[in-house]
Amino acid sequence: EAGVVQSPRYKIIEKKQPVAFWCNPISGHNTLYWYRQNLGQGPELLIRYENEEAVDDSQLPKDRFSAERLKGVDSTLKIQPAELGDSAVYLCASSFDRGLGNTIYFGEGSWLTVV
Amino acid sequence: AQKITQTQPGMFVQEKEAVTLDCTYDTSDPSYGLFWYKQPSSGEMIFLIYQGSYDQQNATEGRYSLNFQKARKSANLVISASQLGDSAMYFCAMREGYQTGANNLFFGTGTRLTVIP
Repeated sequence: EAGVVQSPRYKIIEKKQPVAFWCNPISGHNTLYWYRQNLGQGPELLIRYENEEAVDDSQLPKDRFSAERLKGVDSTLKIQPAELGDSAVYLCASSFDRGLGNTIYFGEGSWLTVV
Repeated sequence: AQKITQTQPGMFVQEKEAVTLDCTYDTSDPSYGLFWYKQPSSGEMIFLIYQGSYDQQNATEGRYSLNFQKARKSANLVISASQLGDSAMYFCAMREGYQTGANNLFFGTGTRLTVIP
């Protein structure tokens, strides 16, 4: 069974440029997460989807970040314009549902460097 | 307040020895789950083991076991017979139950484990 797939794996952009990350969750997983992981820290949630609905986006910097999950499957996370502080690993994850014991599976991440 | 605390930034262990990685948590929700993930240098977060707050027995998965002490709010990971491939960052994480409505996964700052040949 395929895991969570993310692209691009690595991205280097200049500040003020836009960037987009794509995520394909595990088949059948209704809940999708985007996390940001800064160097030397644990991941922090940006947004959580249940099917097509963003049910928790309280930590998403909405002035420059946006996300969508069309048809409740793939998801895209966009940053426009990017700032130097956005350099981080952006991790997509999915789980079958929001049940307490359901394992959240992560992709390999998209490594963003803003110069 | 930090929900997950990992006090060991780095740990060393001799190959084939056992090692314990510490994790304490903070929640007022009686229903929660505790997870351990491994993150090698490639970046992927690999699920290792899960412990539910109502589980009576400590969770085990192969060489991984979770030392769950509910009263002390600790959930330490024990890796037995360490292998060179165990060298990685290890994250403890908690998912709170429906009572709080959060249901998100909160991570600690991680412990970097190095296995010495």
